[in-house]
Formats: sequence, C-alpha cells, structure tokens
Amino acid sequence: EIVLTQSPDFQSVTPKEKVTITCRASQSIGSSLHWYQQKPDQSPKLLIKYASQSFSGVPSRFSGSGSGTDFTLTINSLEAEDAATYYCHQSSSFPPTFGQGTNLEIK
Amino acid sequence: EVQLVESGGDLIQPGGSLRLSCAASGFTVSSNYMSWVRQAPGKGLEWVSVIYSGGSTYYADSVKGRFTISRDNSKNTMYLQMNSLSAEDTAVYYCAREPPLGVGAAGYFALWGRGTLVTVSS
Repeated sequence: EIVLTQSPDFQSVTPKEKVTITCRASQSIGSSLHWYQQKPDQSPKLLIKYASQSFSGVPSRFSGSGSGTDFTLTINSLEAEDAATYYCHQSSSFPPTFGQGTNLEIK
Repeated sequence: EVQLVESGGDLIQPGGSLRLSCAASGFTVSSNYMSWVRQAPGKGLEWVSVIYSGGSTYYADSVKGRFTISRDNSKNTMYLQMNSLSAEDTAVYYCAREPPLGVGAAGYFALWGRGTLVTVSS
C-alpha cells in the first residue's frame, strides 16, 4: 500500500498569504495524485486532479504541481473561506490511499 | 441535479449489522465506478470499497469479509452491508463517484454525498 505523507499537519496563516502544502508518496505514482478540501461538517470537495489540473469551478488561486513522489498544493492570496483541511489522494496503485490531512487555520 | 444521498447510519451495538444506502440522481450508478469512503471522528479519510461499472467489487483489508458492496440498478442506488461491526468502524460513511474515463474511471472522486454517521457502541 502506498503511504502519502503530508506536511505540515497544521498551519496558521493570515489572509492574502501564499500557502504551500506538500504530499510525499512512499513510491512513485506518476501524476495520479489528487487534492481535496474539506470544511468542518462538510464532505470533501475535489480541487486538483492529476497533480496539476484544476477541477471545474475551483478558484484560480488553487494550483498543484509535482510528479513521481513529491507533490505540492499552492494557495495564492489566501482568503478566509479557505480555512479547511486539505487531503491528497493517490489512484496509481490499489488500494487508493489518502494523506493524513493538513489543517489550515486563518488568523 | 447530479447528487448522492447516503442514508442508513445509526447507533449499533458491537457485533451488529447495518446496511447503508447511497441514492444517486442525475446519472446512472451502474455506468460508474462507485466507492465508499469513511472518516472516523476527528480523523482522516479511508477508502473502504468500490463497485465497478462491470460489477467487480473490491475492499480495504480492514473490512474484507465483513462488508459487502452492491447496487440496485432499478433504484439507481448503491449499498454497503456491514456485518460484525466493531468500535473501529465508527465513522461518517461517504459514497463517492469516479467520473468515467474510457473503459474505466478517472481515479479521482469528483462527486461526494454528505455522509451518514455509523456509531458502534454498547
């Protein structure tokens, strides 16, 4: 099973800051890495598919990059509504697995 | 409107059984790869099971032999039969859809339901 390790686990940031969340896979997964946002008491929402492709309707301040084992989710000019937990997910190898999550707090 | 609605969550005693439902609207369940993903209280996401459009089914090791995924095409609904439940199965259970891609699916979960809470406790 492929293990995804996100860093940091928690980050407190101010509005308009740029945020970077990383996801490292225990073995190469090509570009089969996806990012989700989950706000409290809501279901996850897809942000980025295949490492760098923005999902329909997602604000342009969200972007993704990486391939192989190292991936990054970047949020430019953070807004208050971006307070959430962010998860990476790999679909390269069975079973699909998720990172442990990164909790983003807005100061 | 394209949506998924889960139901069936409840408080159940250890060793008990429960069946969850996931009703789809706006698309056909049998034409898609459909999964169950769970989230224990305050924890992260854990994939549980998938049913492919062709009918094949797969499970996480943690539930294999205890859970059964199925669907009823006439009701456009997917199910998760859960047996021999333990406290470790306590979670919100989400159903999720992978968009079709060629003869398979895209791999990512583009559509999620709101979830249904299963609590296993005496």
